[in-house]
Amino acid sequence: DTEVTQTPKHLVMGMTNKKSLKCEQHMGHRAMYWYKQKAKKPPELMFVYSYEKLSINESVPSRFSPECPNSSLLNLHLHALQPEDSALYLCASSQTTAFNYGYTFGSGTRLTVV
Amino acid sequence: QKEVEQDPGPLSVPEGAIVSLNCTYSNSAFQYFMWYRQYSRKGPELLMYTYSSGNKEDGRFTAQVDKSSKYISLFIRDSQPSDSATYLCAMRAGTASKLTFGTGTRLQVTL
Repeated sequence: DTEVTQTPKHLVMGMTNKKSLKCEQHMGHRAMYWYKQKAKKPPELMFVYSYEKLSINESVPSRFSPECPNSSLLNLHLHALQPEDSALYLCASSQTTAFNYGYTFGSGTRLTVV
Repeated sequence: QKEVEQDPGPLSVPEGAIVSLNCTYSNSAFQYFMWYRQYSRKGPELLMYTYSSGNKEDGRFTAQVDKSSKYISLFIRDSQPSDSATYLCAMRAGTASKLTFGTGTRLQVTL
C-alpha cells in the first residue's frame, strides 16, 4: 500500500459545526503532516507529527485541532471555522521528518465553510 | 523576496514538445529538491527527488539542480496532453521536515 487516504473528499460545514478530517497511511511512515492549500496557491504547512507527537505547529488558530491516535492515523478536528478557512486540506506522510525523501500526499478534503 | 520563485504561467505547448520548468531560490541551506505534479482538485504527486547538484532522469522527466546558481529545472520530453497539470517545485534544508514550495507553474499541452 503506497497511498495516503483522506476522508471525506468533500465537506460543507456551517460556522458553528464541529467536524473532523481523517487521514490514514499504511506505509510505516512515522511522520505525518497537515497542509492547507487555497486555489492557485502552493500548500502551506499547518502541523507536523513525528512518531505520533506534535513537533511543529505553524501558528495555526486553535479552531484547528490535530490528533494522531496511532502511527497510521491522523485527524484534524474543526470547530467554529470561518468562511476564509475554505480550502483543500492535504495530509501527507514521509518515512521520518529527518529522512524525508519527499512526501506522499493524499488527494485532499475540499472544505467549504458557509 | 520569496525564498522560492516560480513562474506561474500558464505555459501552453503543443503535444510532443520539450517542456522546461524552472525555479530559483535564495536559501543556500536547501539541499533536497523535489518536483510535484498536481492535477486540478487532487493532491500533489511526487515526480522527482534530487539531492544537491546534478541531473536525474526518470523516463520522460529530467531534473537538474545547479546549486551554484540556486536554480532548478524539470524537463519533460515528448509532452502529452495528460501532462497538463500544475507543477510545483519544493525544497528543504538538511534534516528539516518542512518543505518550501514554489507557487506552481500551470502547464497546458495541446493536441
